Amino acid sequence: GQSLEQPSEVTAVEGAIVQINCTYQTSGFYGLSWYQQHDGGAPTFLSYNALDGLEETGRFSSFLSRSDSYGYLLLQELQMKDSASYFCAVRDLTDSWGKFQFGAGTQVVVTP
Amino acid sequence: DAGVIQSPRHEVTEMGQEVTLRCKPISGHNSLFWYRQTMMRGLELLIYFNNNVPIDDSGMPEDRFSAKMPNASFSTLKIQPSEPRDSAVYFCASSSRDGDREAFFGQGTRLTVV
Repeated sequence: GQSLEQPSEVTAVEGAIVQINCTYQTSGFYGLSWYQQHDGGAPTFLSYNALDGLEETGRFSSFLSRSDSYGYLLLQELQMKDSASYFCAVRDLTDSWGKFQFGAGTQVVVTP
Repeated sequence: DAGVIQSPRHEVTEMGQEVTLRCKPISGHNSLFWYRQTMMRGLELLIYFNNNVPIDDSGMPEDRFSAKMPNASFSTLKIQPSEPRDSAVYFCASSSRDGDREAFFGQGTRLTVV
């Protein structure tokens, strides 16, 4: 099975950079994904790492190191609209079909 | 495609009543997931289906919960009888069999049991 750990909350000011770490214990997974969820909304896909290294998508970047069982999401040039919860997730390889497991989520609070 | 469609968006019911939540996955997706989200427990996977067959229901909290997927375009999650502790947001998500990177979520059903 999977266990994903991430901080519960991060606060930062507009324009700043925030890094959300995700450490995991797993017996196997396809890749590490990140989702954003605004209050009252549904989780929406942000980024994905199948291989080790950095993936950049605009202001957001995501990193994976399988050898360290670690990944992170980097939010740059923070904007007020980035205030949301962010989840790391994996698709489990322990069964042949693959279920998505999510971390507990990190609440990002952006202040003026 | 309209995305994953869930109904109802909000449901308020009295304790002991039966509740049925509905989900229409994205056409062509053959994996369907039901999640429950609460402040205390986060996003919990309740059950998932592949090609309409339940693969893992180990997350279903107890016998009061049941889920079906009679065809590729429809699934239900039923709670009978409902209890106040079932109050949560229930999400349905779908993905393709080989889509390892992304699950597409519906807008959720906010259930309140009073």
